[in-house]
Amino acid sequence: EVQLLESGGGLVQPGGSLRLSCAASGFTFSSYAMSWVRQAPGKGPEWLSAISGTDGSTYYADSVKGRFTISRDNSKNRLTLQMNSLRAEDAAVYYCAKEGGSGPNSFDYWGQGTVVTVSS
Amino acid sequence: DIQMTQSPSTLSASVGDRVTITCRASQSISTWLAWYQQKPGKAPKLLIYKASSLESGVPSRFSGSGSGTEFTLTISSLQPDDFATYYCQQYNSYSRTFGQGTKVEIK
Repeated sequence: EVQLLESGGGLVQPGGSLRLSCAASGFTFSSYAMSWVRQAPGKGPEWLSAISGTDGSTYYADSVKGRFTISRDNSKNRLTLQMNSLRAEDAAVYYCAKEGGSGPNSFDYWGQGTVVTVSS
Repeated sequence: DIQMTQSPSTLSASVGDRVTITCRASQSISTWLAWYQQKPGKAPKLLIYKASSLESGVPSRFSGSGSGTEFTLTISSLQPDDFATYYCQQYNSYSRTFGQGTKVEIK
């Protein structure tokens, strides 16, 4: 059974940093692209970043480019999102999502989400 | 970036109704489109991928069609469990994008 478990959310001040993690199990982690998707209260999902399953290529939405960094450790089946220079508008539920292939794909499995609050 | 526009934003329907939701892409995305269902407090759930392929375990009353820039999600006979918000998502490019959502409400 595929499982994705996010952790690392919490309250952070504007300008601060936070590191999210996603522990994956139940599938061959290294074979699939993985993404981070967030959802602000009352809004639709927003794709943030992806990392390919094969060569580790990374991709970012303009809204987080230069502030967020995605990485993966295939030996530990772990996905990470380092978030720096956080803003009030970054407050959301953050999901890790497994893609259906090694490259751009639909998201066939999602974690339960971790809440990030940005406030002074 | 490719923009995805859904219509309508809200849809009121009754159990047993046939429901159709439309998603338009700002440029051609071939059939690289997915549909998701989301209920409050839950992560989105994949229903349809590659525009018309039904995800395993999803009831056959859900179907998808379209290619290029115009796509539809159809629920052939709305069930009580189907009242939720639906999103389309393109994956033609490495910058994946979602539509703004369609909320299906009880009439």
